Amino acid sequence: DTGVSQNPRHKITKRGQNVTFRCDPISEHNRLYWYRQTLGQGPEFLTYFQNEAQLEKSRLLSDRFSAERPKGSFSTLEIQRTEQGDSAMYLCASSFSTVINGYTFGSGTRLTVV
Amino acid sequence: AQTVTQSQPEMSVQEAETVTLSCTYDTSESNYYLFWYKQPPSRQMILVIRQEAYKQQNATENRFSVNFQKAAKSFSLKISDSQLGDTAMYFCAFMKHEYEANSKLTFGKGITLSVRP
Repeated sequence: DTGVSQNPRHKITKRGQNVTFRCDPISEHNRLYWYRQTLGQGPEFLTYFQNEAQLEKSRLLSDRFSAERPKGSFSTLEIQRTEQGDSAMYLCASSFSTVINGYTFGSGTRLTVV
Repeated sequence: AQTVTQSQPEMSVQEAETVTLSCTYDTSESNYYLFWYKQPPSRQMILVIRQEAYKQQNATENRFSVNFQKAAKSFSLKISDSQLGDTAMYFCAFMKHEYEANSKLTFGKGITLSVRP
């Protein structure tokens, strides 16, 4: 297992278009998280899954955002009708239920909305 | 709600010297975890060190150690014998205790550390 994998690494899209990102967590991990990081800031929590169940969504996650984790494996994060303010690094992480060891993060998907 | 404050945006240190990065936090929880994460330029975030709030002993991982002051809600990171590979952004983060349903991390804004040769 090579860790948490995110695709694509970079995405440039025009305002108003839809985009989808994928995250493949470490296979043994049952928790999966999405964070958003803007330039010069720390990551902000968006949502997390325990297996296939989405257990919490941040208020940052407007109705244009949707995340899924079918069958408790990989996850997708979709942004509809992108806006320039959506430009950010989108980080995925995974962990065991016992999170004392922290998460394992992916390298992120950098979204630029033009 | 929890908040994490890193008031120093940037620091610089000479190779082989020691540097301390500051972090304060605010919470009403009595049981929680604190973490320092390192994010090298264009690379993924990795865990440097963690501290469980109920443990009085400060955590140590090789050249990295923390000074955890629970009453003062302070959690600083000391890097000894700084190396060029330590150049990165460092984030302090808070998590409620694991039996809480949500294990989300609350991050500070981060500090950019540059190690000079």
